[in-house]
Amino acid sequence: GAGVSQTPSNKVTEKGKYVELRCDPISGHTALYWYRQSLGQGPEFLIYFQGTGAADDSGLPNDRFFAVRPEGSVSTLKIQRTERGDSAVYLCASRPTGGWTEAFFGQGTRLTVV
Amino acid sequence: GDSVTQMEGPVTLSEEAFLTINCTYTATGYPSLFWYVQYPGEGLQLLLKATKADDKGSNKGFEATYRKETTSFHLEKGSVQVSDSAVYFCALSPTGTASKLTFGTGTRLQVTL
Repeated sequence: GAGVSQTPSNKVTEKGKYVELRCDPISGHTALYWYRQSLGQGPEFLIYFQGTGAADDSGLPNDRFFAVRPEGSVSTLKIQRTERGDSAVYLCASRPTGGWTEAFFGQGTRLTVV
Repeated sequence: GDSVTQMEGPVTLSEEAFLTINCTYTATGYPSLFWYVQYPGEGLQLLLKATKADDKGSNKGFEATYRKETTSFHLEKGSVQVSDSAVYFCALSPTGTASKLTFGTGTRLQVTL
């Protein structure tokens, strides 16, 4: 079946604009994660959903960042009043629940704020 | 908080050379440890894992042993191939779960003929 799909693959936006990044997890995966990867760094945790609810949002850097998963499948990461420092690759991952299971990553959305 | 430190790259090796990429961690309790790989143009993929002390994870000729006494999880391969060229990330998650992964900064491996 299909893997984790992220759209768009690339997004260029002007400073101060609002952006939405979409993640389609693998069908049936109840856990969904967002990470941010800056150039030359490892992925940094942002938020984790279990079903529709955010189980851990401790990684969101500030209140400009928000994520939703209203029906427990597709998730949208929303960034308000974008800043140049928000430029990074935003990664989404999903996994089934029940014990430890591998998380599958999408290829990411490269966000560039100019 | 939890953290992972891995050796800086890039690492350049000739084909069939021995590979070691060092990884040490700081965490409370007994985290699970992972190596992820990112091939050019592809997403992150789990390479191997170990969930308790002295466990050895292995896959595709790569191995790593969970060493609690040295808080290390070094990645090794006896004979690398050009196709192993990629970025390798060491990561950990809290005990018994994969709810949140903490990654190292990544090590780029370049294998030449």
